[in-house]
Amino acid sequence: DGGITQSPKYLFRKEGQNVTLSCEQNLNHDAMYWYRQDPGQGLRLIYYSQIVNDFQKGDIAEGYSVSREKKESFPLTVTSAQKNPTAFYLCASSTTTGGTQYFGPGTRLTVL
Amino acid sequence: GESVGLHLPTLSVQEGDNSIINCAYSNSASDYFIWYKQESGKGPQFIIDIRSNMDKRQGQRVTVLLNKTVKHLSLQIAATQPGDSAVYFCADLNDYKLSFGAGTTVTVRA
Repeated sequence: DGGITQSPKYLFRKEGQNVTLSCEQNLNHDAMYWYRQDPGQGLRLIYYSQIVNDFQKGDIAEGYSVSREKKESFPLTVTSAQKNPTAFYLCASSTTTGGTQYFGPGTRLTVL
Repeated sequence: GESVGLHLPTLSVQEGDNSIINCAYSNSASDYFIWYKQESGKGPQFIIDIRSNMDKRQGQRVTVLLNKTVKHLSLQIAATQPGDSAVYFCADLNDYKLSFGAGTTVTVRA
């Protein structure tokens, strides 16, 4: 069963803690992305990766970090430097950076 | 600012009627557009796409129209069903960057 998986579905964090959100795809896609969605708004790009061991900042990268050690995995760490981390986080992938992006089910992060 | 925007934030449709969701874009260089459907608590789901060398593209119960002259595209859903209730986003893809509008919430009345 091919697709993009994200875990966990819900995540709670105390202020000052770092948390890592998982994103895995078995679509053999080269490119992967992380977006943030706030209530009633569209998606904003945090980071993207065109290929293994390479990644670039998106529009709102401050307070976030990523790694791309494997083609199928693109974890996102929300650091304590992110001032307003409560949001719905979406991971996507595409065959190349110019291709249609397909999304995972999302992780809802709440800071307590 | 955002490069794509939707005209109406909400749309209420009678079951069985056709729905039309509109979207405007500002970047004349945009050449690839995608419509996504997002149900509550889920990730966006690809519906249909269109490139700038086309004016119209049809899928199953959906049609996308692109008017490059006025930088406008629309999504038409035929015979709207309760399962079509969701938020619909148009997005344009320039190189790697997918730019989203704020979305239109479609509610289907029984």
